[in-house]
Amino acid sequence: RKEVEQDPGPFNVPEGATVAFNCTYSNSASQSFFWYRQDCRKEPKLLMSVYSSGNEDGRFTAQLNRASQYISLLIRDSKLSDSATYLCVVNFLTGGGNKLTFGTGTQLKVEL
Amino acid sequence: NAGVMQNPRHLVRRRGQEARLRCSPMKGHSHVYWYRQLPEEGLKFMVYLQKENIIDESGMPKERFSAEFPKEGPSILRIQQVVRGDSAAYFCASSPAVTVPYEQYFGPGTRLTVT
Repeated sequence: RKEVEQDPGPFNVPEGATVAFNCTYSNSASQSFFWYRQDCRKEPKLLMSVYSSGNEDGRFTAQLNRASQYISLLIRDSKLSDSATYLCVVNFLTGGGNKLTFGTGTQLKVEL
Repeated sequence: NAGVMQNPRHLVRRRGQEARLRCSPMKGHSHVYWYRQLPEEGLKFMVYLQKENIIDESGMPKERFSAEFPKEGPSILRIQQVVRGDSAAYFCASSPAVTVPYEQYFGPGTRLTVT
């Protein structure tokens, strides 16, 4: 089983739609959770950290369910510029400290 | 405030040559991480360094790969005797410290092509 699993998509949605991405992780000792966005052939960019209480940043809402080891990202009123691959990322604390484990990403295409 | 810088952005090497990839962390960041992204795959952790110390190299191939982060200058990822399977995008990330929520910021990457 992969450490971080995501539906690869692609999700093709019309502009203005609401779209949700899900992610599960296998290590219950995981400490920190993130959504990154990666455009084609570019570096990953931090979209938002995910907190147990859930958090919102404009049109983006992230939720974390530690009991189910499940993370979600909701994008409302999607824009053409939201087209990208969304990476679910988990931090597993080890004796060596801080390293990120990435899901393979969910591709989003927002269309006119 | 400059972000994470990597150079070169593109590197072409013939099989058997050496590749040196450089990474300068964001100002004020003392922790550096290297990740590799193979074509059509996700990012994989390689190594985590602080100044003059390798903290976690559990993701590094056992042979041909090495990394350093000297007291002065950028972090270097070195690949000796490159093979075609080393062709990938290599991303460097940095963070200010190991504190929750452990956010890391990525550089633009070096795309290595081995011919």
